[in-house]
Amino acid sequence: QQQVKQSPQSLIVQKGGISIINCAYENTAFDYFPWYQQFPGKGPALLIAIRPDVSEKKEGRFTISFNKSAKQFSLHIMDSQPGDSATYFCAASRGANTGFQKLVFGTGTRLLVSP
Amino acid sequence: IAGITQAPTSQILAAGRRMTLRCTQDMRHNAMYWYRQDLGLGLRLIHYSNTAGTTGKGEVPDGYSVSRANTDDFPLTLASAVPSQTSVYFCASSETGQNEKLFFGSGTQLSVL
Repeated sequence: QQQVKQSPQSLIVQKGGISIINCAYENTAFDYFPWYQQFPGKGPALLIAIRPDVSEKKEGRFTISFNKSAKQFSLHIMDSQPGDSATYFCAASRGANTGFQKLVFGTGTRLLVSP
Repeated sequence: IAGITQAPTSQILAAGRRMTLRCTQDMRHNAMYWYRQDLGLGLRLIHYSNTAGTTGKGEVPDGYSVSRANTDDFPLTLASAVPSQTSVYFCASSETGQNEKLFFGSGTQLSVL
């Protein structure tokens, strides 16, 4: 049972285009939603994160859009570059400041940005 | 700055053998984690520790054990490896375990034959 469902599994975008990766969750207690970026042969690294008190968070070319009522959140990569080619994981956890938290990860999206 | 160091980088192991994956961090983080990464399944938590001396089970703990004798080290042991444990294993750490950034190692590619 996948608590966080991620799509698409793979994505090819032309250089300069917009990459969009979507995630959906069921547990309404989730209150922290990070995205991790992973390059081949490396461990994942935190890219950007959002909490449900805001609907959007932007850091450079990366934006998280959050829809609490639909229980969905997405990552938008504007002006996608070949260097953005990587695997992206969404994740979620619950109960901030109430003890030890465990992230639940999506299944990952392999992004290829063509030159 | 080393961050998280995992060893070995890769290993081929015969089924039934015992194996310990090593993980050391130099950031003095309280929380540490072991994940396995499988294609189509993402990252799944095996075991975690929120402070030295304590450990807990994640989503997929069966066949694995951990110990946390000190802050820096968090080894993962497969007592009797099986082919379904073929995976890439990542160790990670975070400051307190309360919804902040996880720092991952570079992983151990393990093949059980």
